[in-house]
Amino acid sequence: ETGVTQSPTHLIKTRGQQVTLRCSSQSGHNTVSWYQQALGQGPQFIFQYYREEENGRGNFPPRFSGLQFPNYSSELNVNALELDDSALYLCASSRDRASNEQYFGPGTRLTVT
Amino acid sequence: AQTVTQSQPEMSVQEAETVTLSCTYDTSENNYYLFWYKQPPSRQMILVIRQEAYKQQNATENRFSVNFQKAAKSFSLKISDSQLGDTAMYFCAFMNGGGSNYKLTFGKGTLLTVNP
Repeated sequence: ETGVTQSPTHLIKTRGQQVTLRCSSQSGHNTVSWYQQALGQGPQFIFQYYREEENGRGNFPPRFSGLQFPNYSSELNVNALELDDSALYLCASSRDRASNEQYFGPGTRLTVT
Repeated sequence: AQTVTQSQPEMSVQEAETVTLSCTYDTSENNYYLFWYKQPPSRQMILVIRQEAYKQQNATENRFSVNFQKAAKSFSLKISDSQLGDTAMYFCAFMNGGGSNYKLTFGKGTLLTVNP
C-alpha cells in the first residue's frame, strides 16, 4: 500500500507568481485535505476535497484554489504569491470524508522571495 | 469555533524517563475526536494516538497514553520510557465528529527533546 506522496519537496518562487503543488492520496482513499504550516506554528486547514468536489474550506482567500482528479490525487494552486505564503504545505488523505483518520504526506516547503 | 492550546512550547526529558505534554481545547460540541501527532525533523506528520470523546476509557498505544478529562477539556499525552527517537514536535489536534467536513484543528505544538 503506497502512502501519501507530495511533489515537489521544495520550491522557491517570487512574489506575484503562481504555484501548483501536487498530492497523491493513499490507495483506497477518496478524500484529500490541505494544510498550511507556517514556521513555528501548527498546521492550518485550507480546504478538503471529496470525490472531486470541495468539501469545506478554512479561512484562506480565493487565490488559494484546488482540484481533485478522478484518481483522487489533488492539486493546490496559489495565485499572486505573497511573502506570507512561505510555509510547509501538507496534504492528508482519508478513506472517506467521514473518516476521522487522516494520513499525511511529507509536505512541500514553499519559499516566496 | 474550536481552539486548541498547548501551553508548553518546549519540554525536555532524560532517556528512559516519563514526560507529560499538556493540551486544552475549547468546543461546544459533544461528539468529537482528539489526536496527538508527532512531527520529527523529517516533517512527516505521524499519528501517535486518538481518543473518541464518547469513550471514557483513556486511549493507550504502547508507551503512549492519554489523560482525557472531558469536563475540564483537557487532553494530555504521557510518554513512558522515553527514547531518543521520540524527539520531535508534538501537536494536539481536534476534529468535530458531526457534519460533513472533518478538518483537524491543531495547537501550536510542543518541541520535545529526549536527552541521552
